[in-house]
Amino acid sequence: DGGITQSPKYLFRKEGQNVTLSCEQNLNHDAMYWYRQDPGQGLRLIYYSQIVNDFQKGDIAEGYSVSREKKESFPLTVTSAQKNPTAFYLCASSMPDRAWYGYTFGSGTRLTVV
Amino acid sequence: AQSVTQLDSQVPVFEEAPVELRCNYSSSVSVYLFWYVQYPNQGLQLLLKYLSGSTLVKGINGFEAEFNKSQTSFHLRKPSVHISDTAEYFCAVSQPNTGNQFYFGTGTSLTVIP
Repeated sequence: DGGITQSPKYLFRKEGQNVTLSCEQNLNHDAMYWYRQDPGQGLRLIYYSQIVNDFQKGDIAEGYSVSREKKESFPLTVTSAQKNPTAFYLCASSMPDRAWYGYTFGSGTRLTVV
Repeated sequence: AQSVTQLDSQVPVFEEAPVELRCNYSSSVSVYLFWYVQYPNQGLQLLLKYLSGSTLVKGINGFEAEFNKSQTSFHLRKPSVHISDTAEYFCAVSQPNTGNQFYFGTGTSLTVIP
């Protein structure tokens, strides 16, 4: 079955470390997105990519970085510059020319700073 | 840009009672409307969507939503809730020909009380 796979499901990071969250899709979707979710704040867009080798900052990109070397993959790196990284991170994908399709979401990665 | 308002951040309801989760959006131009459900520590799943045509849309798990263009609303309803409906619900809006940019509400936490 097609879908989005996020790994790991739980991740622990020491302060000052960079960590990378994986997001892989086999839906042949062109666009991919990263969202951060905190209690009571809904979904906030970190980065998005509409095509391979191109990506755009979202509303809260500071302290994060991404790459899009392959259509199927859109990894997110949480750098040491992100002061409050503990959150639930969601990856999504879509077809940019099919707004009616909606987004498909992964199952999320919960990152905790220890 | 669009904005999406979910008027209730938390909705407690007794089992087998009806429920309505409210959603309003800002723009009166042509839009697509979506409701997603998120169970604890999981990604978002599509409940239903309105693209065009009949203003009453039926989705999975017995949910339905009604599109009201004049009031720019898309409220979600279920006539009789079950314990398993306890989850976070997100309303989302997209516009055709905008590269599939999604706008999410901040979510409504539905708690079904036995």
